[in-house]
Amino acid sequence: QKEVEQNSGPLSVPEGAIASLNCTYSDRGSQSFFWYRQYSGKSPELIMFIYSNGDKEDGRFTAQLNKASQYVSLLIRDSQPSDSATYLCAVNRQGGKLIFGQGTELSVKP
Amino acid sequence: DAGVTQSPTHLIKTRGQQVTLRCSPKSGHDTVSWYQQALGQGPQFIFQYYEEEERQRGNFPDRFSGHQFPNYSSELNVNALLLGDSALYLCASSSGQGAGETQYFGPGTRLLVL
Repeated sequence: QKEVEQNSGPLSVPEGAIASLNCTYSDRGSQSFFWYRQYSGKSPELIMFIYSNGDKEDGRFTAQLNKASQYVSLLIRDSQPSDSATYLCAVNRQGGKLIFGQGTELSVKP
Repeated sequence: DAGVTQSPTHLIKTRGQQVTLRCSPKSGHDTVSWYQQALGQGPQFIFQYYEEEERQRGNFPDRFSGHQFPNYSSELNVNALLLGDSALYLCASSSGQGAGETQYFGPGTRLLVL
């Protein structure tokens, strides 16, 4: 079992729809959770981080964390073609090492 | 406010050679982490430097070594290059060494080993 797993892509949604990206992790000691966006040929760009159970909203993005289920998700409302990218889920255990999932490719069709 | 910078942006080497990659952290950050990202994969943690010491290391061979300077900038050295070392090398900086510190990535160095 991989330490961090993301739902396989590519995920295709129409413009204006809600995109839902999911991630599970295996280590219950994980303390903080991050979503990065990576455009093709570029480096990861931080979108959101979440530490506590529940929802955290920032503009069109909502991160959801459920530590009991070891599950973290990212919702993108009103998806735009510019949101088309690979989304990386990362988990941080004590000490600062980030463990990444393999990424989910999102395609938003006009 | 300058973000994380890395040099060079691209590099081509041949098997057996050695390479040095450089990173300057974001202003105010004192911790540098290095990651390797193969095509189609998520980044893999190589090691982290804090207060000029290697504080954590991932599952990479000793061919991978690093250094952090008093100004918090860092170098990643890879010896005896293999074809499989071809990847995007990412530097990330953060403030402090706490478990929850957010890491910000530089633009990366794309290494091709022939």
